[in-house]
Amino acid sequence: GQQVMQIPQYQHVQEGEDFTTYCNSSTTLSNIQWYKQRPGGHPVFLIQLVKSGEVKKQKRLTFQFGEAKKNSSLHITATQTTDVGTYFCAVSADRGSTLGRLYFGRGTQLTVWP
Amino acid sequence: NAGVTQTPKFQVLKTGQSMTLQCAQDMNHEYMSWYRQDPGMGLRLIHYSVGAGITDQGEVPNGYNVSRSTTEDFPLRLLSAAPSQTSVYFCATLRDRALGNTIYFGEGSWLTVV
Repeated sequence: GQQVMQIPQYQHVQEGEDFTTYCNSSTTLSNIQWYKQRPGGHPVFLIQLVKSGEVKKQKRLTFQFGEAKKNSSLHITATQTTDVGTYFCAVSADRGSTLGRLYFGRGTQLTVWP
Repeated sequence: NAGVTQTPKFQVLKTGQSMTLQCAQDMNHEYMSWYRQDPGMGLRLIHYSVGAGITDQGEVPNGYNVSRSTTEDFPLRLLSAAPSQTSVYFCATLRDRALGNTIYFGEGSWLTVV
């Protein structure tokens, strides 16, 4: 199966600082998805990136997909306490019966100090 | 997270007992899957289904059985519980491929095997 490495595992920031998490793959990806999981909660879909070099923004969140489609990043500008949680990237096979099989990174646990 | 319902939310089992985690969805999604989440490991796919009557194994299928007799339901059976199966279990459904590979997670089932 596809492997995706996510770093860092933990990140502690002061409120107002920026935060970035990275996902890297040794193989070319068809797409990549990002999820957020609040403590004690379930993963919630944030976004899917499909195109090489794609950049998408959601308010203070910026998502990028690398030109070679082997890496991706999630950047949060001016973190707030509501950003606390674990952020996961996930990749999927995009054909046939393997559709729906997601391979998750291990996640980056973000702590925001007020 | 209306649409994907998991029961029970919490369960304690003794080693060797069997049980079934229930998952029901009312979104008419074809694809359903079960993941387990362990600390520092992200989410790992146990079994998945691409439609009623069709199931397949994921990354960590040993010790679990599934069936998909209807589109709505996808139960996960633990045949003989072991302490290594202590985990949080998430059921997920996949929105139609043409609309993008968005996965919706249930709220999770916390299982402890003693």
